This record gives sequence, C-alpha cells and structure tokens, in this order.
Amino acid sequence: DGGITQSPKYLFRKEGQNVTLSCEQNLNHDAMYWYRQDPGQGLRLIYYSQIVNDFQKGDIAEGYSVSREKKESFPLTVTSAQKNPTAFYLCASSKSSGGREQFFGPGTRLTVL
Amino acid sequence: AQKVTQAQTEISVVEKEDVTLDCVYETRDTTYYLFWYKQPPSGELVFLIRRNSFDEQNEISGRYSWNFQKSTSSFNFTITASQVVDSAVYFCALSEAVDNYGQNFVFGPGTRLSVLP
Repeated sequence: DGGITQSPKYLFRKEGQNVTLSCEQNLNHDAMYWYRQDPGQGLRLIYYSQIVNDFQKGDIAEGYSVSREKKESFPLTVTSAQKNPTAFYLCASSKSSGGREQFFGPGTRLTVL
Repeated sequence: AQKVTQAQTEISVVEKEDVTLDCVYETRDTTYYLFWYKQPPSGELVFLIRRNSFDEQNEISGRYSWNFQKSTSSFNFTITASQVVDSAVYFCALSEAVDNYGQNFVFGPGTRLSVLP
C-alpha cells in the first residue's frame, strides 16, 4: 500500500536534547513538507523540499533542520535551539506540479520533559 | 498575500442534522486551488477534495457536498445527515499555481465539528 509513514508516534525528550523525526513515503512524490500543529491551532509550515538535495525554510524554521538525501525520506531534527518544541508534527508529500493536494502521515507527538 | 478564513471555530450538531462549514479565501491570482481536509481524533489529515479556480461546479460525494463561489471567494462544505464519525477538525486550504508550490499552500485555522448521538 502506498502512503506516508512517520515514526515514532509518540516521542519524549529531555530539554536540551536534539531529536530526529522520521518521515518516509512510497508514493513517488517529489515534494515533501513538515508542519507543526499546536493544540487547537492550524498547521504551520516548518520546511519543504521540492526535490532531492534541496529544501526551503517555511514560516517557522528556526530551531529545526532537515535533510533530503533520498526521494523517499525527509527527516526533521528538532534542535535544542527550538524554544518550545512540544507539539504535533505532521509530514506530507505531493506530486511535483503546483497546486497538487498534499497527503499526510499519521504524525508524531513530541513532548519535551 | 493569500489567506484562508474559517470563521466557525467550533460547531455542534445532533446526529442526522445537516451542517455547513464555511471557508473564505483571499488571493490575487486568477489560477489557484482549494482543498478540504479532515483531521479525526487520531491526528492524521485526510484529503477530501481539490478544486481549481476555473471549475465552479458544485460537487457531491455521498453525504458530502461543496459549494464554490468565486463571486464571494467562498468554498463551503456541507455534510448531509451528519453522523458521529464525522466528528473531526476540518481544514480548508488554498494553493496558488506557481512553480514554488510548497511555499504557498496555506491552511485555514480549522473548524471543530462535534456530532452528538
């Protein structure tokens, strides 16, 4: 079955630690995205990538980093510089042409203790 | 700049009632795309519909229907005979048709729908 997988579903970390969230897709999509969602809020774009080895900052990139070494994978690292990292993180992908719908993974809920 | 407004923060209905979720958008482009997503309690966003700016025909899919009106910049979503399983947060989104597609996909704040038995 084609889709997007994110792991882990729940993640706990201590303050000051970096943590990496996994996102894999087998839809053969060129574009991938990371969003952050806070309780009762909408989605805010962190980073996106249109093609392998290229990515762009979104609206709230500070304290986050990404890589896109493979078409299928777009991991997100939440660094210790992110002041308020506790949130729900959603990964998405879409075909390469503009205006295409994005398909989402199940999300990772990160809690900083 | 593009913007999506969903004025209804929360809606509660009793099962079998019809309910309409409002979405108003702003864009300067003549070519753009509108979307609706459903986010159930599990958290994953589920794609419901995509509509381009040149197609104003209303669409019906089972109990779901969408009304696109360019004159009022609205793309409203109606659920007929609502069911408890429809309880979720619904997001409207807008994408302008430019090459840097990732950057201009904007979501509204969402409407939380509760369908009571």
